[in-house]
Amino acid sequence: KAGVTQTPRYLIKTRGQQVTLSCSPISGHRSVSWYQQTPGQGLQFLFEYFSETQRNKGNFPGRFSGRQFSNSRSEMNVSTLELGDSALYLCASSASRDRAQAFFGQGTRLTVV
Amino acid sequence: GEDVEQSLFLSVREGDSSVINCTYTDSSSTYLYWYKQEPGAGLQLLTYIFSNMDMKQDQRLTVLLNKKDKHLSLRIADTQTGDSAIYFCAESIHNQGGKLIFGQGTELSVKP
Repeated sequence: KAGVTQTPRYLIKTRGQQVTLSCSPISGHRSVSWYQQTPGQGLQFLFEYFSETQRNKGNFPGRFSGRQFSNSRSEMNVSTLELGDSALYLCASSASRDRAQAFFGQGTRLTVV
Repeated sequence: GEDVEQSLFLSVREGDSSVINCTYTDSSSTYLYWYKQEPGAGLQLLTYIFSNMDMKQDQRLTVLLNKKDKHLSLRIADTQTGDSAIYFCAESIHNQGGKLIFGQGTELSVKP
């Protein structure tokens, strides 16, 4: 079974731009969560989607948004990028029946210059 | 409140056992997890334990949970240099769906 796939792996953007990151969950998994990892703040929860609906949201500004498609693939968008948005963005998927196990992708490394 | 604490560093000799500790504050945890992260990589789920269990063993890994003290530990037997990585403790909270609360991570260094 293929794992969680995140694209792209690396991105460099300029302050003020916007960016879209993609996550394809494990086949059959319907729950997708997003996390931001930085050296200073560690791993922080952004949001969770299940069956195209946002189920939970972390404490991030409205510039961070996401969506999930009918095939469970998810995208997150960050608008008006700031230097502090530079981070590793991780996506996790879990099956609807066994949400105990969340499997992570390799992440997208975003650098804002 | 939701808070998970871990010590930041642990250094052991190859072949010794490693014990990584974690404390959490939320008594409504449902599952507690251990993840491993190698440089430049995502998070690898090592093991997890349901909050009403005391212990779980999986090959070289032993998880102990003291629910009264809200203390979780991960023991790695016969630690190898390939076990060098950052280990994260995480909890999921009842009624918060798939949201995981992570500790800061413990960097394990295994010396030959």
